[in-house]
Amino acid sequence: GQQVMQIPQYQHVQEGEDFTTYCNSSTTLSNIQWYKQRPGGHPVFLIQLVKSGEVKKQKRLTFQFGEAKKNSSLHITATQTTDVGTYFCAATSGTYKYIFGTGTRLKVLA
Amino acid sequence: EAGVVQSPRYKIIEKKQPVAFWCNPISGHNTLYWYRQNLGQGPELLIRYENEEAVDDSQLPKDRFSAERLKGVDSTLKIQPAELGDSAVYLCASSSIWLGSHYGYTFGSGTRLTVV
Repeated sequence: GQQVMQIPQYQHVQEGEDFTTYCNSSTTLSNIQWYKQRPGGHPVFLIQLVKSGEVKKQKRLTFQFGEAKKNSSLHITATQTTDVGTYFCAATSGTYKYIFGTGTRLKVLA
Repeated sequence: EAGVVQSPRYKIIEKKQPVAFWCNPISGHNTLYWYRQNLGQGPELLIRYENEEAVDDSQLPKDRFSAERLKGVDSTLKIQPAELGDSAVYLCASSSIWLGSHYGYTFGSGTRLTVV
């Protein structure tokens, strides 16, 4: 079945440094979504990517969908303490069933 | 807009006891999901409803878990009897599917279940 892997599992950065998390699938994806979960909170939808090679930006966050639609990345420029949390990708191969990745836990050191 | 509302927020029960969780989705969202999230892991789908129909319950442990979504609005998820391994956060989410396109889930705050 479809599997979605995220790396790294954990990332500690100094405030102001950049951060990137990667999401990889064993199968070709229809689309991919990204969520952020603050400690003790619930996942919050950030963005959806649909097209091959698509790049979307939200302020300091840049989301990319691979050309082969098997991988995606989330890059945060100049991290802030408010970026702390776990970032999940959720992917589907064409149904409305999304498989969540294992998540990347980001810690920002002030 | 109230968002997805779940209750209770926390629940502690002894093993072998029953437990139920309730979810009220965002008004107008036709699709409702129950997810289970273990500590340090991503959410895992238990069941998906489109309106009142359960269209994907392949990962629901049907020997002890049951769910219903009467009238296609709010939903309940039940565990009977609970086991120690059921301790987790149970998340409800809703979304809309419009013209064949799916838009991101809105999650509720979840119910943190502890089985002792």
